[in-house]
Amino acid sequence: NAGVTQTPKFRVLKTGQSMTLLCAQDMNHEYMYWYRQDPGMGLRLIHYSVGEGTTAKGEVPDGYNVSRLKKQNFLLGLESAAPSQTSVYFCASSYGVLYSNQPQHFGDGTRLSIL
Amino acid sequence: GENVEQHPSTLSVQEGDSAVIKCTYSDSASNYFPWYKQELGKRPQLIIDIRSNVGEKKDQRIAVTLNKTAKHFSLHITETQPEDSAVYFCAASMDNNAGNMLTFGGGTRLMVKP
Repeated sequence: NAGVTQTPKFRVLKTGQSMTLLCAQDMNHEYMYWYRQDPGMGLRLIHYSVGEGTTAKGEVPDGYNVSRLKKQNFLLGLESAAPSQTSVYFCASSYGVLYSNQPQHFGDGTRLSIL
Repeated sequence: GENVEQHPSTLSVQEGDSAVIKCTYSDSASNYFPWYKQELGKRPQLIIDIRSNVGEKKDQRIAVTLNKTAKHFSLHITETQPEDSAVYFCAASMDNNAGNMLTFGGGTRLMVKP
């Protein structure tokens, strides 16, 4: 039982390049989330999903897209990376609608630098 | 939307002393309040949570109190140890069956001096 697994762990991109961050969970969780964490700040929600085939915008969605084609996977895409997107990205998952307010479980994060 | 304020931003205590971190929230509909501990370079890990139907919850050296009227909640760590040194985040969410999104505070860096 690996929990929440993020790949890659580190990545350096040049401005304008694109990439996809992968999040996989093996806990059969309905809900999945993508956050970014900037130095000295809390986590801010980028996008989230309440189930396979659904996505929704969070607090800071601009410049990102997401897809949830399979229940266990949640992908975060950067179409044209910008230096302002340099951050640590965390994926999280939790049980869904049948379970009231369940804790979110986090992955180890992806450290992304945009030059 | 929800707004969560966390204080202090840094806290330094002597080993064995108590530490208290306070958070306020703005949306009276919020009903779930978790606390996460994040060590340097690691993932946030849940240490304790409280739901709005209780006023206090304790787990060994850690306790959380909730005042719904004043819209604030606090984390209390007793008999602090050097391994308690980390950044602590409070958060708030509303159980709306539409994602239970968490809004996080800005974090408190706790340093426990041996």
